[in-house]
Amino acid sequence: KNQVEQSPQSLIILEGKNCTLQCNYTVSPFSNLRWYKQDTGRGPVSLTIMTFSENTKSNGRYTATLDADTKQSSLHITASQLSDSASYICVVSAREYGNKLVFGAGTILRVKS
Amino acid sequence: DTAVSQTPKYLVTQMGNDKSIKCEQNLGHDTMYWYKQDSKKFLKIMFSYNNKELIINETVPNRFSPKSPDKAHLNLHINSLELGDSAVYFCASTDRVNSPLHFGNGTRLTVT
Repeated sequence: KNQVEQSPQSLIILEGKNCTLQCNYTVSPFSNLRWYKQDTGRGPVSLTIMTFSENTKSNGRYTATLDADTKQSSLHITASQLSDSASYICVVSAREYGNKLVFGAGTILRVKS
Repeated sequence: DTAVSQTPKYLVTQMGNDKSIKCEQNLGHDTMYWYKQDSKKFLKIMFSYNNKELIINETVPNRFSPKSPDKAHLNLHINSLELGDSAVYFCASTDRVNSPLHFGNGTRLTVT
C-alpha cells in the first residue's frame, strides 16, 4: 500500500464550483506536506508547502489544510476555472529518510464549462 | 527565462540502444534530481545530486548513470534500454531541502 493515498482518483466539476481533494498519509515522522499541480504534458508546479505546525495555507483560490494528528490533508479549490483542469499531487516529506519525498498518485480534476 | 529545461521532450528508441537525456537549470540551485513517472502516474525519485555530488541513489538498475558536469546540469544516460524503461522522466531542482521542487516538463521515453 502506498504511503500517500489520494481521493478521489478523478473528479469532474462545473466551472465556478468548489471542490475538495483528499490526501491521507502514513509517513512518519514527517517534515512537510506539499501539494503540486501537474498540467498534461508538463512538470508538476508547487502550490503549497506546510510543516506539521501549520494547519492551513492558501495560494490564491487554492487552500490546503493539514491535520497532523489524523495524518490527513485536503486541497480546496474555490470558484474553479477551466485552467484548473490538471492532476493534483500530494507529496509528503519523510524526515527520517533525509527528507525523501513520497508522492501520491494524484487526483485528476476536470473542470467543464 | 528562469527554469529547469530538459531535452529531448520525446524519445523513441529500440530495445538495447543507449540514450541520454539532458537537464539544465538556471535557478542557481545546488540540488538536482531525476524522477521517473510510470503509467500509474507515481513519481519516484531515481537520483539526487547536491553540488555535483551524488546524495541519493534509489534502487535503480546500474544501466542508468547520472552525470553532473557542474551544479547547473544533471544528465541521465541509459544503457541497454528495456521495454520497462518506457516512462516520463522528470528533472527537478531545489535550493533547500524544505523548499519547493522546480520540475522540467519531462521527457517521454518510449522503448519499442
